[in-house]
Amino acid sequence: AQSVTQLGSHVSVSEGALVLLRCNYSSSVPPYLFWYVQYPNQGLQLLLKYTSAATLVKGINGFEAEFKKSETSFHLTKPSAHMSDAAEYFCAVGSRDSSYKLIFGSGTRLLVRP
Amino acid sequence: SQTIHQWPATLVQPVGSPLSLECTVEGTSNPNLYWYRQAAGRGLQLLFYSVGIGQISSEVPQNLSASRPQDRQFILSSKKLLLSDSGFYLCAYTGVQETQYFGPGTRLLVL
Repeated sequence: AQSVTQLGSHVSVSEGALVLLRCNYSSSVPPYLFWYVQYPNQGLQLLLKYTSAATLVKGINGFEAEFKKSETSFHLTKPSAHMSDAAEYFCAVGSRDSSYKLIFGSGTRLLVRP
Repeated sequence: SQTIHQWPATLVQPVGSPLSLECTVEGTSNPNLYWYRQAAGRGLQLLFYSVGIGQISSEVPQNLSASRPQDRQFILSSKKLLLSDSGFYLCAYTGVQETQYFGPGTRLLVL
């Protein structure tokens, strides 16, 4: 069965610093992997996804993630944090069955200090 | 292009009252549809999903039910709300490669 672990419920960085949000997955089949962002009182917005093409995936707002099969990881990075990046971030893995369910991690809240 | 709507945006209801939340999708046909709940400060909990009209799968036994009367309409209901039903309810549909797209959500407060 698929599962997702996000290390760190809260991550705090200074504006301009590197953002690194960690995600490890478990999957019995080649995974589809996703990162979503949620701003307060809003729905989730897709940041990027990996679906077995290039292992380095670029998303919106300058974010990217690298799929590393050997480490079963899909960490999210951004070279320089902006105040507007403060939000909650969710990693998810696809169930790869007819339900098309996503299994979500517990989320990481990113705080950006001025 | 596809869009997803939820209403109402905010709802305050007394304990024991009924509930009906609606989700509609435009620009796609026969999508898989999902209801999630976020309790305050917690992650996403999948409540129900549907792979077609009249087909509902429940993920968590609870006070809520779901229905899909039309291809692009998904309704979340309750006959009698509990305090623990408070939360942020999100509807989503599936696009290509299992990608889910979320609606704006409904904030429910049960008093």
